[in-house]
Amino acid sequence: GQNIDQPTEMTATEGAIVQINCTYQTSGFNGLFWYQQHAGEAPTFLSYNVLDGLEEKGRFSSFLSRSKGYSYLLLKELQMKDSASYLCAVQDSNYQLIWGAGTKLIIKP
Amino acid sequence: TAGITQAPTSQILAAGRSMTLRCTQDMRHNAMYWYRQDLGLGLRLIHYSNTAGTTGKGEVPDGYSVSRANTDDFPLTLASAVPSQTSVYFCASKKGTGEHNEQFFGPGTRLTVL
Repeated sequence: GQNIDQPTEMTATEGAIVQINCTYQTSGFNGLFWYQQHAGEAPTFLSYNVLDGLEEKGRFSSFLSRSKGYSYLLLKELQMKDSASYLCAVQDSNYQLIWGAGTKLIIKP
Repeated sequence: TAGITQAPTSQILAAGRSMTLRCTQDMRHNAMYWYRQDLGLGLRLIHYSNTAGTTGKGEVPDGYSVSRANTDDFPLTLASAVPSQTSVYFCASKKGTGEHNEQFFGPGTRLTVL
């Protein structure tokens, strides 16, 4: 079957660094996406990885290991506005997205 | 720049009634998708369309139908609503069906079926 696992909730302090993990088992792999979703709003695209390694984009970085079925999203210099849910999604062999349930990130001052 | 719009924003519907959720995009994207999002679950694909004139079933298609008469519009119809269809519905679009094309989401429709 297809499965994507992420922690349900994480808490971090403003100014700190947090790593959100995602593990997956899917039928086929054509890349992994991370999206941010603020409460009551639509998901918005953060990053895409298709090759192993780290992709850096400002305060956010995303890492992929295809052999381990593992990715993480790293958020640096946390700000209160980073309080949101972070969704991991794998693009399968049909180029459809399989979504994790999301990780709710709570930032404390 | 509108991107993707959805209507209505929210709706309360009596069980057994029909309803159409509207979705329009102005980005000339080929692919469009309908998802439902329920607490504790990931986004689940209901139906999709890779290009105008074609549609396909996703993970949870039962009780829903779609059409894609043109590039811009992708309405989702509930023929006879049931309480288990209470959810937040998101429409999304993507430029093409290839690898590195992210999906863009509409603001969502919150539907309650009583």
